[in-house]
Amino acid sequence: EAEVAQSPRYKITEKSQAVAFWCDPISGHATLYWYRQILGQGPELLVQFQDESVVDDSQLPKDRFSAERLKGVDSTLKIQPAELGDSAMYLCASSLGDSRVEQYFGPGTRLTVT
Amino acid sequence: QKEVEQNSGPLSVPEGAIASLNCTYSDRVSQSFFWYRQYSGKSPELIMSIYSNGDKEDGRFTAQLNKASQYVSLLIRDSQPSDSATYLCASIPRRSGYSTLTFGKGTMLLVSP
Repeated sequence: EAEVAQSPRYKITEKSQAVAFWCDPISGHATLYWYRQILGQGPELLVQFQDESVVDDSQLPKDRFSAERLKGVDSTLKIQPAELGDSAMYLCASSLGDSRVEQYFGPGTRLTVT
Repeated sequence: QKEVEQNSGPLSVPEGAIASLNCTYSDRVSQSFFWYRQYSGKSPELIMSIYSNGDKEDGRFTAQLNKASQYVSLLIRDSQPSDSATYLCASIPRRSGYSTLTFGKGTMLLVSP
């Protein structure tokens, strides 16, 4: 069964350090999303890609967060410098795109900033 | 007003009962609605999608959509302890022009043996 892959699954880092997350969507899925989920809340979108292009990054804190999907397949989300408030689950999801909007999530990366 | 509202629960039901989870949304032109199940410490898993008024059934799950009342629900028949999880309701607000999901905070379901 096709799945979204993410790594690492867990990351502990000190504040002010840089951290990066990787995501490989389901093969053939043109749309890729990065969400952040704080405990007790629903996921909130950080950035959405259509192929290699960013189509929505309105909620991405651009002073410290960056995301890329250079070849329109896998994607990297980076935080530099990390802050204590960044501790959360970072989720990647993908969908076929166009009218096929069902999104499938990867296992997520649990980030703890100390 | 948050765009998607859910009662945080917990909703407690005995094994074998019907669990009813409810969700309201504020964007009248939303067209697409989804239910995700999330076990503690895990990522959300898509269990149902619904796009038109009425009921949609898949196994023990039935999603119901009433656009006039801006209301979505999920019924779980013959609830099992393994159904104990947080259920997230999500919609795609048409105003965004994109396919970004807007989630509620989720309702925790506890099924007791």
